[in-house]
Amino acid sequence: QKEVEQNSGPLSVPEGAIASLNCTYSDRGSQSFFWYRQYSGKSPELIMFIYSNGDKEDGRFTAQLNKASQYVSLLIRDSQPSDSATYLCAVPGLSFGAGTTVTVRA
Amino acid sequence: NAGVMQNPRHLVRRRGQEARLRCSPMKGHSHVYWYRQLPEEGLKFMVYLQKENIIDESGMPKERFSAEFPKEGPSILRIQQVVRGDSAAYFCASSPQGANNYGYTFGSGTRLTVV
Repeated sequence: QKEVEQNSGPLSVPEGAIASLNCTYSDRGSQSFFWYRQYSGKSPELIMFIYSNGDKEDGRFTAQLNKASQYVSLLIRDSQPSDSATYLCAVPGLSFGAGTTVTVRA
Repeated sequence: NAGVMQNPRHLVRRRGQEARLRCSPMKGHSHVYWYRQLPEEGLKFMVYLQKENIIDESGMPKERFSAEFPKEGPSILRIQQVVRGDSAAYFCASSPQGANNYGYTFGSGTRLTVV
């Protein structure tokens, strides 16, 4: 089983701040990476995926991939209370990180 | 185009009974994955299936658990002789091809409670 590690949480940020989430993976051959958001009691939903080194931006979300260092991160800019959720990093091979719970304080 | 459909949404079983969880993938998706999520924990992979084939069951307990994805009909996760430790949310996800290039679409999950 391919391993995925996420930085420990929970993470609490004030409204309007940047939330930064990190994830490392063990399989150097992994080609694509996904970030899922899971609200309490709900199922995970895909919010970002990234295949290439560098940054990928989608609205207030930016995914960053560094294959040499085997890490992928997610930045949430201008955090809103509605961003409060658990964020899961996933790599092909069906491995998910344990998740980082983000709380945005109004 | 309906999403991934799981039923039942909630299932209560007494210890020793059998639990059957069903998952219908999105239309056009032939790959199905089952995950278990214990309270306050992350998603744990259980099994990966294609039609009539189990591709990877490395995350599934060797005893009491089985899964199938028949040529016709939904995928079934079966738990025999349930115990209290089986209480969890079970999520099914599907993708059109292998996991390498596509994310997964999740169903709403089945919350199993063993009393």
